[in-house]
Amino acid sequence: GESVGLHLPTLSVQEGDNSIINCAYSNSASDYFIWYKQESGKGPQFIIDIRSNMDKRQGQRVTVLLNKTVKHLSLQIAATQPGDSAVYFCAEDDGGATNKLIFGTGTLLAVQP
Amino acid sequence: DAGITQSPRYKITETGRQVTLMCHQTWSHSYMFWYRQDLGHGLRLIYYSAAADITDKGEVSDGYVVSRSKTENFPLTLESATRSQTSVYFCASSEGRGRSGANVLTFGAGSRLTVL
Repeated sequence: GESVGLHLPTLSVQEGDNSIINCAYSNSASDYFIWYKQESGKGPQFIIDIRSNMDKRQGQRVTVLLNKTVKHLSLQIAATQPGDSAVYFCAEDDGGATNKLIFGTGTLLAVQP
Repeated sequence: DAGITQSPRYKITETGRQVTLMCHQTWSHSYMFWYRQDLGHGLRLIYYSAAADITDKGEVSDGYVVSRSKTENFPLTLESATRSQTSVYFCASSEGRGRSGANVLTFGAGSRLTVL
């Protein structure tokens, strides 16, 4: 059978509800955290970022929360819409000279009408 | 057209063949990246480039070669394709850390490669 590791974590929500997507990061020295949205058949698209000296940042219908104590990041989407259905990735930027981003494995958000 | 474009979008090849995936960006971004995406592994960095003629390995660079003779182009070559290189490949570019301080990557639409 398939390994559990081959399945994306999935969050299923009803249209209009709020969604919370979680991410655990590994590098306590990471300076920035970025959320990306990837729709089927497309490349990832930037949603919002937060610097490590902040706990919360709000955008349009989205809020990112950062808990450095437990190295946890969350993306909250208000009033989830069918167009929000996608895979969501968090990414770490260590703030170093290389400008590399390290991505998490992603969460599939499925919005039920 | 402005933006970042990848070609081909789909490619089927055989084990042992050389394959080159092209990436072109029109923003004159300094930084360019190649990631591969496989289910369960998310996006893994293959190679990145800070400027023309400056490239460096990412976490999964074995079996891949890149070049960057011009700022706008960053081709990725599989010298002798293997089945394990079947994947979706994404090219990305960025200007580095902007006013917000975050390094925001802009991705192409991806190239789906199948190695038989």
